Amino acid sequence: GESVGLHLPTLSVQEGDNSIINCAYSNSASDYFIWYKQESGKGPQFIIDIRSNMDKRQGQRVTVLLNKTVKHLSLQIAATQPGDSAVYFCAENIGGTGANNLFFGTGTRLTVIP
Amino acid sequence: GAGVSQSPSNKVTEKGKDVELRCDPISGHTALYWYRQSLGQGLEFLIYFQGNSAPDKSGLPSDRFSAERTGGSVSTLTIQRTQQEDSAVYLCASSISYGEREQYFGPGTRLTVT
Repeated sequence: GESVGLHLPTLSVQEGDNSIINCAYSNSASDYFIWYKQESGKGPQFIIDIRSNMDKRQGQRVTVLLNKTVKHLSLQIAATQPGDSAVYFCAENIGGTGANNLFFGTGTRLTVIP
Repeated sequence: GAGVSQSPSNKVTEKGKDVELRCDPISGHTALYWYRQSLGQGLEFLIYFQGNSAPDKSGLPSDRFSAERTGGSVSTLTIQRTQQEDSAVYLCASSISYGEREQYFGPGTRLTVT
């Protein structure tokens, strides 16, 4: 299957600072991307998504940037809070809308230091 | 309303035994998905259900794995003759319909095969 990788396995930030979590993908045919947050002992939670025809999408305190030229995706979290501590991973969708078209990265663990 | 629930939350079993994992999706969600999350790995898609049918079983790792869904609601994932490499967190998700990209995940069942 396809692999979706992350540049950093762990990230520590001070409370109140902005966080940037990166994701590299390998398939130029990927048409849709999702960021998930997974807190300890819980299932992944959808945060934000972006289609390949967009470069940027903003949500509440989060922004996803997509650079198709270098196949890079990032999640920016503004004013990081302790409740943001979790593992964040991206997923890319390739060639269809089925669950077997979605490929997940391994994740970055974000730790917010109070 | 209630989210996706899974039981048990933790299961320790001896190698060679069979296990059954249960998933209760969100009421009204017709699509249900099973994933496996191994340590240091991204989510691995196993199988999905649209209603009670599972059109694609190719994601199941071996013929020791099977899943069923009855009444368009509860699903069980059965692993026969468990092996140590089956140890992982098994996640279930549901969505309003198949192809709806926003999936709602349960907390998972952590399976440990000794």
